[in-house]
Amino acid sequence: GIQVEQSPPDLILQEGANSTLRCNFSDSVNNLQWFHQNPWGQLINLFYIPSGTKQNGRLSATTVATERYSLLYISSSQTTDSGVYFCAVDRYSTLTFGKGTMLLVSP
Amino acid sequence: ETGVTQSPTHLIKTRGQQVTLRCSSQSGHNTVSWYQQALGQGPQFIFQYYREEENGRGNFPPRFSGLQFPNYSSELNVNALELDDSALYLCATIPSPHRQDGYTFGSGTRLTVV
Repeated sequence: GIQVEQSPPDLILQEGANSTLRCNFSDSVNNLQWFHQNPWGQLINLFYIPSGTKQNGRLSATTVATERYSLLYISSSQTTDSGVYFCAVDRYSTLTFGKGTMLLVSP
Repeated sequence: ETGVTQSPTHLIKTRGQQVTLRCSSQSGHNTVSWYQQALGQGPQFIFQYYREEENGRGNFPPRFSGLQFPNYSSELNVNALELDDSALYLCATIPSPHRQDGYTFGSGTRLTVV
């Protein structure tokens, strides 16, 4: 099956710093999504981004489908950004997730 | 506030027992998927239901089964529980199998098998 790799696995930032999370996938996909999992376990959809660039406030994402990677940018990080960020790809109407990047933003 | 509710939030079962997890559906969402998330891992696809029929399954044994009801709510049943079944079980609903951009996840049920 398709492989999804995320890097880095862990990231510690001070409040106000910027960061870039990366997602590589091993085959062509129908779409790609970024999720944030809060401490209570809920997955929140951040971006649906099969290709191109999207921005939502301090977060933006870019997917280069031809090169099989996606990037999630977090600017001016806040403590509330802490949690696990997952990339998930869809090929056959199901999602395959990476192992996630655990982000800790300290005050 | 999520439109998907899962119950119970936590439970503890003994190896060999059976368990049923429940999931309501976001209004207008007729497709439900279940995922298993082991500690430190990403969610893994178990199966998907559309119009009360299973229309996709991941690499899970038959002791994992499900149901979808006419109101689009769903159940996940696991028989003959094993220690490795300990995980967070997530339910997700989407408007249709072809709308992969509208996922709404519940907060999950944390199952511990002892």
